[in-house]
Amino acid sequence: TQLLEQSPQFLSIQEGENLTVYCNSSSVFSSLQWYRQEPGEGPVLLVTVVTGGEVKKLKRLTFQFGDARKDSSLHITAAQPGDTGLYLCAGGSSNTGKLIFGQGTTLQVKP
Amino acid sequence: DSGVTQTPKHLITATGQRVTLRCSPRSGDLSVYWYQQSLDQGLQFLIQYYNGEERAKGNILERFSAQQFPDLHSELNLSSLELGDSALYFCASSVGGQGAEKLFFGSGTQLSVL
Repeated sequence: TQLLEQSPQFLSIQEGENLTVYCNSSSVFSSLQWYRQEPGEGPVLLVTVVTGGEVKKLKRLTFQFGDARKDSSLHITAAQPGDTGLYLCAGGSSNTGKLIFGQGTTLQVKP
Repeated sequence: DSGVTQTPKHLITATGQRVTLRCSPRSGDLSVYWYQQSLDQGLQFLIQYYNGEERAKGNILERFSAQQFPDLHSELNLSSLELGDSALYFCASSVGGQGAEKLFFGSGTQLSVL
């Protein structure tokens, strides 16, 4: 069974701080997606990484796919209250055709 | 707005009852996915339909069933409801049938079983 573990589960920081969220697995994924979910809404895709070692930047967010395609990280620079939400990583398997979600990291950025 | 429409937004019912959740995918998307989200289990994949046919099955209980109609909208039927079925149910859609592609999620249906 493919599993994705995210850490930390909860993170509460002050505005302006940096943070990193990790997504780890013992399985290899063909792609790794990051979603953000706000209360009362469904997850919204932020980025997809498909190549081992790939780094993608989205304004203050930096996403990295591990060389072995088993892990990923999301780094946020100078966090803002608008970054508050649930961050979910999801691994795609070309074998099963399924998308497996991690448990999520709840981020709270205080002004 | 993701373009995926889910109704109703909230549903309150009693144990033993049956409910139907409805989903309209984005225009042009052929796949519909159903997910269940609870605090302790996270986002769990239930089932996927592609162009009217079941494509993949996840952790869906036998009390639950789904279908996708010719106009591509989908319904998730939950029967003999239990307290533990209380959760957020999301529908997502994608263009193709590969489950690992980009998904567009609806706003969800909050189900409360009392």
